[in-house]
This record gives sequence, C-alpha cells and structure tokens, in this order.
Amino acid sequence: DGGITQSPKYLFRKEGQNVTLSCEQNLNHDAMYWYRQDPGQGLRLIYYSQIVNDFQKGDIAEGYSVSREKKESFPLTVTSAQKNPTAFYLCASSIGVGGQPQHFGDGTRLSIL
Amino acid sequence: AQSVAQPEDQVNVAEGNPLTVKCTYSVSGNPYLFWYVQYPNRGLQFLLKYITGDNLVKGSYGFEAEFNKSQTSFHLKKPSALVSDSALYFCAVRRSYNTDKLIFGTGTRLQVFP
Repeated sequence: DGGITQSPKYLFRKEGQNVTLSCEQNLNHDAMYWYRQDPGQGLRLIYYSQIVNDFQKGDIAEGYSVSREKKESFPLTVTSAQKNPTAFYLCASSIGVGGQPQHFGDGTRLSIL
Repeated sequence: AQSVAQPEDQVNVAEGNPLTVKCTYSVSGNPYLFWYVQYPNRGLQFLLKYITGDNLVKGSYGFEAEFNKSQTSFHLKKPSALVSDSALYFCAVRRSYNTDKLIFGTGTRLQVFP
C-alpha cells in the first residue's frame, strides 16, 4: 500500500543534542511538508519542498533543518538551537500543484529528557 | 492573507443526532477548502475538499460540507453522529495559487456521547 512512513514514533532528546526525524513516502509525490503540532495551536508549517534538491522555510523554521536528496525522503533535523522542541511532528506529501489534498504520516512525538 | 477560523474548541453531540463543526475562511480569489480528521496519536486523514461546483460536498465516512460564499463558511456536517466519529477535526485553506500548501485552523474536538 502507498503511504507515508515516519520514524521513530517516539523520540527523546537530551540538552544540546541534534535529532533527526525520518519521513519516507512511496506515493510518487513531488511535494513534501513538515508540520509541528502543539495542543490548541493546530498545525504550523516548518519546511516544505516542491521538488528534489529544493526546499523553503515555512512559518517556524528557526532551529530546524531539512534535506531533500531523494524524491521519497524528507528528513527533519531538530537542532539544539530549537529551545522548545517538545511537540508532535507530522510529515505530509502531495502531488504539488492544483490544490490537491495532502497525505499524512502518523507522526513522531519528540520529548526532552 | 489567507486564513481559516474554527470558532469552537469542542462540540458535544449525542449519538444519532446531526453534527456540525464550523469553519469560516478569509481568502483572496477562489477558495480551495479542506476538512481533515485526526484520531489520537495519528496523522491527519483527508475527509473532503471544495474547489468549485456544488456547494454541498460529500466526503468519506458519511461526512459532507456546505460551502457558503456569502457567509465565507465551510461547515462540516453529518446527519447522524457515531461514537466512533469522536476525534479532532481541522479545516484548512490553500495558501496560494499553484500550490498544495495549506493553512490549518486550530482544530475542533468532537465528542459524541452514547
């Protein structure tokens, strides 16, 4: 079945540590997105990528970095510069144009040790 | 700038009764509107979208939504609620032309009581 796989499901970060969240899709979608979800705030866009080897900052990119070396993969690194990283992180993908719906993975919950 | 608002943090309804989850929008140009549902510790699932055409859009799991241009609303509805419909519902609007990027509302928690 086609879909989006996020791993790990739970992740713990120590102070001063960078951590990387994985997102893989086999939907052959061009566009991919990372969102942060906090209670009562909906989803906020961190980064997005319309095509391979290109990505743009979203609304809350500070303290995060991404890469898009393959169409299927869009990993997110939460750096030590992100002072409040505890949240639920969601990856999504879409065809890319035309107002098509985004398809979501099941998320990674990041907590601070 | 495009935006959506979900004025209710929570909606409570008895099983078997009709339900409505409200969404209003502000866009320049023609709106592309979406509804998603989220179950605990899961990602969002697409329910339905409005791009053009009939103002009543039918979607998954018996849900439908009514687009009202004069009231700038896109309310989600279901004629008969199920306990299993209890979840978090998000309304979203496309950010700009020629993109799939979305702006999400803050979500409405639907609680269906037996």
